[in-house]
Order: sequence, then structure tokens, then C-alpha cells
Amino acid sequence: DTAVSQTPKYLVTQMGNDKSIKCEQNLGHDTMYWYKQDSKKFLKIMFSYNNKELIINETVPNRFSPKSPDKAHLNLHINSLELGDSAVYFCASAYSYNEQFFGPGTRLTVL
Amino acid sequence: QKEVEQNSGPLSVPEGAIASLNCTYSDRGSQSFFWYRQYSGKSPELIMFIYSNGDKEDGRFTAQLNKASQYVSLLIRDSQPSDSATYLCAVPSGGSNYKLTFGKGTLLTVNP
Repeated sequence: DTAVSQTPKYLVTQMGNDKSIKCEQNLGHDTMYWYKQDSKKFLKIMFSYNNKELIINETVPNRFSPKSPDKAHLNLHINSLELGDSAVYFCASAYSYNEQFFGPGTRLTVL
Repeated sequence: QKEVEQNSGPLSVPEGAIASLNCTYSDRGSQSFFWYRQYSGKSPELIMFIYSNGDKEDGRFTAQLNKASQYVSLLIRDSQPSDSATYLCAVPSGGSNYKLTFGKGTLLTVNP
């Protein structure tokens, strides 16, 4: 009965590797988001999809590529991981531009 | 001026007191305002939203909005140790209602 779920919860990897994080929501929302929360706890939007269309694409390195196969799923693929990519990545969903509901987060550590 | 600013704290109040959290924003066109609570190691959870000037009450929480002053606040009455968390103010910005800009958060500690 989890509303917004993410996998994996923890991800530890070496610099230069490629990794993916998956997100699923069962709330029937039409909009999904990826946020990055750094070590200083600042939460910053990265991408947003509305009905599978990219509507927000912030200044993010093109090593980060989101993909939304359907309205309930939003994945994030990261190529050539760097130390500075270490953070907690949160997925969120909303109905249109109303209140956003967050997933539990994926803690990425790049060694 | 940063888009969303919060007093970074930390803010420490005794149990039973009123905790007051403040947020200012720069986009005059913003129409909706959100307060999220984030416990350490957990994800943000929505606790209040407000669209109209004035006060909105929900249990021990009151959100106050003043669009003319571009100011939104959150009052927590009868503060409990379980209220100890970081409180994040979020405002749509950049001309998009879909894009929420978050403040850096205020860390609140309620002392028993």
C-alpha cells in the first residue's frame, strides 16, 4: 500500500559507473519529480514529467537522464558517476501542480 | 534575493510553547504555499498548504500568508518533542506552478 516507492534505498558504487534508480507511484497522479538533497539538506528539483512528457529540466549535467515509461513510473539513469553525485535522491508525485508526495529516498554514495 | 528564504535556525523551544517558523519568497506571482516536515533520515511530508491571505488552521498547526509582504509562516502550538524536525517552506517559482522551490529549512528542537 506504499504510495510512492523507490528502489534501491541505498546505492554504493565506484566513480565512473552507471546506475539507475526507479520510482513508482500508485496514487493515480499525473506528474512525477526527481529531487536531489545534498549533504547540507538543500532540496533541489531536477526533473518533472507530466503525463509522460518532460516539463521541467533544471540545470543538471546531461549524465543524468530521466525516463517515464508511463504515468506511474519515473526512472533516473546516471552515467559516469562522480563524487559530487553523492546525495539523497527523492522521487515525488502530484496530481497536476497540487501537493507533492515524496518517496522514501535513495541514498547514493559514490566512492 | 534568493527565491525562498527561511530562518535557518536551529530553533529551540520548550515543550508546550509556540514555535514560529518564517519564510519569505521573491516571486510575487506565487499562488500556493506549502510547508513540509522532514524528520532526520526521512522524506519530506506535507503538513500544510495555503492559497489565500490570512490564517489556515489544522489542529496544532496554523499557516499564515501575507502576499503583500511576500511572507508565509507556520505556527505550532503546544509544541511536542515529536515536532522536532526540519521544516521546509516550498513555493512555486520560475513561472511554473509545477516547479516548487524549497527553502533551506529550519531545524526545530522541542525540549521536554
